[in-house]
Amino acid sequence: NAGVTQTPKFRILKIGQSMTLQCTQDMNHNYMYWYRQDPGMGLKLIYYSVGAGITDKGEVPNGYNVSRSTTEDFPLRLELAAPSQTSVYFCASVTRGRVADTQYFGPGTRLTVL
Amino acid sequence: QQPVQSPQAVILREGEDAVINCSSSKALYSVHWYRQKHGEAPVFLMILLKGGEQKGHEKISASFNEKKQQSSLYLTASQLSYSGTYFCGASTAIRGRVTGTASKLTFGTGTRLQVTL
Repeated sequence: NAGVTQTPKFRILKIGQSMTLQCTQDMNHNYMYWYRQDPGMGLKLIYYSVGAGITDKGEVPNGYNVSRSTTEDFPLRLELAAPSQTSVYFCASVTRGRVADTQYFGPGTRLTVL
Repeated sequence: QQPVQSPQAVILREGEDAVINCSSSKALYSVHWYRQKHGEAPVFLMILLKGGEQKGHEKISASFNEKKQQSSLYLTASQLSYSGTYFCGASTAIRGRVTGTASKLTFGTGTRLQVTL
């Protein structure tokens, strides 16, 4: 199993550009999450999904959109990139989404908006 | 509000011990501990599910005091490979507008650990 994979690893955007961060997991997990981590800080939840077709907002959803058409894929869309979105983005998946379940993280996407 | 960790940073010589504390202002139902090396994803260390529970992982163990809403991570006989930033994670249930109940992790403020020769 590859676990959770993310692409790209690095990206530089200009203000106003758009991009999609890809996240795929092969563990058949229903629950998937997108976090952002600013320098020296902990992770903040952007969006999450409990299964194909079902998504919801986390703590910091503004400026982002998600979709979940399959169990495996959970892409994150930035429509109009802003410098405040410069961060490292982590995707994670969990089997059942209960408080006792371990979250498995992807390697991250480092995004810089100039 | 995120859990507060202490100390913020610690430097150890190889073989020394360290304790990292995690304190929450909200009730803790479970505590997850992660280690993150620079430029890498957080790696799961262990989870503690109920008050008083202690767990071990090689020379790393943890305790959970549910009443005090605190958890501590113990690193004994530290090795160079232990260097990194340690995060505690408070797992809580969230109820979404669409999704019903799921869990989310709120990560602590982090403790940077450096082990030197």
